[in-house]
Amino acid sequence: DTGVSQDPRHKITKRGQNVTFRCDPISEHNRLYWYRQTLGQGPEFLTYFQNEAQLEKSRLLSDRFSAERPKGSFSTLEIQRTEQGDSAMYLCASSYSPPREETQYFGPGTRLTVL
Amino acid sequence: DQQVKQNSPSLSVQEGRISILNCDYTNSMFDYFLWYKKYPAEGPTFLISISSIKDKNEDGRFTVFLNKSAKHLSLHIVPSQPGDSAVYFCAASEGGTGFQKLVFGTGTRLLVSP
Repeated sequence: DTGVSQDPRHKITKRGQNVTFRCDPISEHNRLYWYRQTLGQGPEFLTYFQNEAQLEKSRLLSDRFSAERPKGSFSTLEIQRTEQGDSAMYLCASSYSPPREETQYFGPGTRLTVL
Repeated sequence: DQQVKQNSPSLSVQEGRISILNCDYTNSMFDYFLWYKKYPAEGPTFLISISSIKDKNEDGRFTVFLNKSAKHLSLHIVPSQPGDSAVYFCAASEGGTGFQKLVFGTGTRLLVSP
């Protein structure tokens, strides 16, 4: 079991550029979540996939954000026209459900800095 | 509004003593609670969880207590070890949503000194 992996670990970009992050979940997990964490705060929910279907999106996820999980395995999170306020740690988590009381396992995160 | 609150930003404890981390919540629909530990430059690591049908869950040195009437839970670490030094997050989710959208507190930084 290699755990959840994320790539890249760090990304520095200029305002207005597009960025894409990748998440590889634990192989048998059917659920995948994206969270965002800013300094001094806990992670905040962004979106959730059940297999390849994106079933829930937070209001935090503006139109500039898009996420996919094309074959129900890895997932990508793209941010278009980045803004300085997008600077944060982007965390991916995966889980298996049922049961209802699933445990989410987190990856190491991608730290985004927008200059 | 902050539905999950960790009012102590930091806690210092001596090695071997008990660490008690507290968490309060406001949403009465929360029915599953988890504690995660986070080291710098790493993602949160799951520690222990508790369902709202229980009031205590134990796993080795870690025990979580849930007081539903007070909307309060706590994590006890006994005995505390220097390797426990990390930021601890409390998280909660609602059963009725059909999936587990975790709502996190702001974290408590625990420092265990030798």
